[in-house]
Amino acid sequence: LAKTTQPISMDSYEGQEVNITCSHNNIATNDYITWYQQFPSQGPRFIIQGYKTKVTNEVASLFIPADRKSSTLSLPRVSLSDTAVYYCLVVDRGSTLGRLYFGRGTQLTVWP
Amino acid sequence: DVKVTQSSRYLVKRTGEKVFLECVQDMDHENMFWYRQDPGLGLRLIYFSYDVKMKEKGDIPEGYSVSREKKERFSLILESASTNQTSMYLCASNVIRTSSGRPNTDTQYFGPGTRLTVL
Repeated sequence: LAKTTQPISMDSYEGQEVNITCSHNNIATNDYITWYQQFPSQGPRFIIQGYKTKVTNEVASLFIPADRKSSTLSLPRVSLSDTAVYYCLVVDRGSTLGRLYFGRGTQLTVWP
Repeated sequence: DVKVTQSSRYLVKRTGEKVFLECVQDMDHENMFWYRQDPGLGLRLIYFSYDVKMKEKGDIPEGYSVSREKKERFSLILESASTNQTSMYLCASNVIRTSSGRPNTDTQYFGPGTRLTVL
């Protein structure tokens, strides 16, 4: 079970790029780094996943260095609607039980 | 789109009452989960189920039970509600394997949550 560490909170202004770093020193070979986003009064939703190097989709980019002991979620040009809690997880994709281990996440607040 | 629905958004019960929280998913997913979420504690897994009539304890099963009689429905039961069970309850589901046969254990789909208050 890989434990993740991420900042409790971050603040930004509209239009800025936000980078949230997560450390996972005990990551295993089968583990993928996965990020979820949770808006107030909603359940979390999957936003991005990667194994190494860089992954980009329409929502975010994920940067993973070669040693995979940390990762950075990058949100380009944030808006007020990006205010949410962001969870970093490491997921064993070899497991069929589907368990996820959520930490406390990072509360991102975007100001006008 | 995958849809996970929960029977109530808000629920108020009294101490000692039996409480049923219902969750239904429409994507034929094998796995279903119940979490509770409290300020400063993140999401904690209560129970999960990987098949009909199968259940596994999560990290905090005490005071709860579950029922999965049909694949699409997973119920969380508080046999005798207590004030420390006041919380946000979230249901989720996912599929074991994708159509290509690879395991897909990462993308869980969550319902909107039920905010339960026990007085």
